[in-house]
Amino acid sequence: EIVLTQSPDFQSVTPKEKVTITCRASQSIGSYLHWYQQKPDQSPKLLIKFASQSISGVPSRFSGSGSGTDFTLTINSLEAEDAAAYYCHQSSSLPHTFGQGTKVEIK
Amino acid sequence: QVQLVESGGGLVEPGGSLRLSCAASGFTFSDHYMSWVRQAPGKGLECISYISSTSSYTNYADSVKGRFTISRDNAKNSLYLQMNSLRPEDTAIYYCAREEYSYGPVDYWGQGTLVTVSS
Repeated sequence: EIVLTQSPDFQSVTPKEKVTITCRASQSIGSYLHWYQQKPDQSPKLLIKFASQSISGVPSRFSGSGSGTDFTLTINSLEAEDAAAYYCHQSSSLPHTFGQGTKVEIK
Repeated sequence: QVQLVESGGGLVEPGGSLRLSCAASGFTFSDHYMSWVRQAPGKGLECISYISSTSSYTNYADSVKGRFTISRDNAKNSLYLQMNSLRPEDTAIYYCAREEYSYGPVDYWGQGTLVTVSS
């Protein structure tokens, strides 16, 4: 099973600041890495697919990069509505797995 | 629009069984692989089971292997999860999830159904 490790676990950020979340895979997964946002009491929402592909309807301040074992989700100019938990997810091999999550709080 | 609606959750005693259902609409159900993803209270997401579009292939997380069975009925646009020998650690919200491609992201999620295992 591929283990995904996110860092940090928690981040407190002021609006308009830049946020960077990393996800490291225990073995190479190519670009089979996706990012989700989950707000309290809501289902997760797909933000970025295949490491860097944007999703229709997702604000352009969200971007992704990386390949192999190291990946990054960047939120440029954080807004109050971005307070949420963020998860990476690999679909390279079964069972598909998620990172432990990163909670982003707005100061 | 794509809709996934779970049902069948509830309170069950340890060792008991439950069957979750997911009604899909707004897309061609038989074209997509499907998954069940769960989230324990205050915890992260866990993919527990996965089924191919024709039911020819299934996969399970070690935590549920031998106890849970995923199935689907393409004629009824429905996904199922039979859960046996339930344990307190199975307490979670269970989400029905559509895979965009066989090795792609989950592009749509249901609202989830809560399963509580407790005496």
